[in-house]
Amino acid sequence: QVQLQESGPGLVKPSETLSLTCTVSGDSISSYYWSWIRQPPGKGLEWIGYIYYSGSTNYNPSLKSRVTISVDTSKNQFSLKLSSVTAADTAVYYCARAQVLGTYIDYWGQGTLVTVSS
Amino acid sequence: DIQMTQSPSTLSASVGDRVTITCRASQSISTWLAWYQQKPGKAPKLLIYKASSLESGVPSRFSGSGSGTEFTLTISSLQPDDFATYYCQQYNSYWTFGQGTKVEIK
Repeated sequence: QVQLQESGPGLVKPSETLSLTCTVSGDSISSYYWSWIRQPPGKGLEWIGYIYYSGSTNYNPSLKSRVTISVDTSKNQFSLKLSSVTAADTAVYYCARAQVLGTYIDYWGQGTLVTVSS
Repeated sequence: DIQMTQSPSTLSASVGDRVTITCRASQSISTWLAWYQQKPGKAPKLLIYKASSLESGVPSRFSGSGSGTEFTLTISSLQPDDFATYYCQQYNSYWTFGQGTKVEIK
């Protein structure tokens, strides 16, 4: 059974960089696509971006200038960096596995709340 | 960018009701659409992919249809466990989610 677990600081100061890591167990990260999605409190889902194990990425155009997603196949992990955060970036951040060619999501992490506040 | 619009935003229904949720795309996405169910405090769960393919383990009372720009998710007989928020997602060009439809108890 595939499991994903997000980790990282729950509180980030405005203008700083949000950094999260997703650890994958039960499957090799060297296949499928691996994604980050976020959900502001009480609101809907927003796709941030995804990465293939080879390192190729695709980002939401509205966030592209601030987002970097990377993969570490040796640790079976992938990571998210979101720079210059503001209060609008406060959300539950989910890591997830997407099926081939970056299509639909079949496995999700439990999510982690990141609050942007001084 | 492809925009996804769900309707209604909120739906009040009773156990046993047939429920239909609509998702419209701002341009054609063929059948590159998925549906998810989300309960409070939980991650979304995949129900349907490629517009009408039922994910393994999902009850057969859930079904999806549509192509191009208009899609529907139908619950044939609403069960207590089905009260949740439902999202559509297009994956034809990048990814976009609909704003969600909350199914609440009437």
